[in-house]
Amino acid sequence: NAGVMQNPRHLVRRRGQEARLRCSPMKGHSHVYWYRQLPEEGLKFMVYLQKENIIDESGMPKERFSAEFPKEGPSILRIQQVVRGDSAAYFCASSPPGQGYQPQHFGDGTRLSIL
Amino acid sequence: DQQVKQNSPSLSVQEGRISILNCDYTNSMFDYFLWYKKYPAEGPTFLISISSIKDKNEDGRFTVFLNKSAKHLSLHIVPSQPGDSAVYFCAATLTGGGNKLTFGTGTQLKVEL
Repeated sequence: NAGVMQNPRHLVRRRGQEARLRCSPMKGHSHVYWYRQLPEEGLKFMVYLQKENIIDESGMPKERFSAEFPKEGPSILRIQQVVRGDSAAYFCASSPPGQGYQPQHFGDGTRLSIL
Repeated sequence: DQQVKQNSPSLSVQEGRISILNCDYTNSMFDYFLWYKKYPAEGPTFLISISSIKDKNEDGRFTVFLNKSAKHLSLHIVPSQPGDSAVYFCAATLTGGGNKLTFGTGTQLKVEL
């Protein structure tokens, strides 16, 4: 998974705290996607962003979750007032611009644990 | 609503033999399909993909078959190697519809010596 960098790899938060997950896409990739994997489940789409724009947030919970991909710096997935059910692995993926479908390449994820 | 299904949670195969992993989908609008391989504590790694205009795509030991009428695809690995032991995820997308991937729940492949 060279290129898509996620940090931290592990994050522990207490209920009610905020969690910030960061993702730097592969060089040359301008499309970023966030997915969540709950235990024993597949990955579920959350949000698709391009620089400074949210393109599709149909998988984002309506409250407490937000995402951004600023002009400079990494993409951030922010979870406010975390609850036990937010415990999961959060994966970021990126793809390059261009015509035709470009497979997404994934980072190694952030494992979020809520105490 | 599970639009992409992998009904076999696990599969065990002997080294050197063929591994066949199956995937079914319900959304006929999907037009691009991918297979990812995942090791523990790592992210999914892209393996191979196929467009809905094709019925077969091959890359080395990996071949993906698509049967649109049955809404079924399969991944063949031959010959299987111990390093292939991992969880395999099938994914589907509607190109031009935001490119978000819809994943199956995965199949744990174990290749035994």
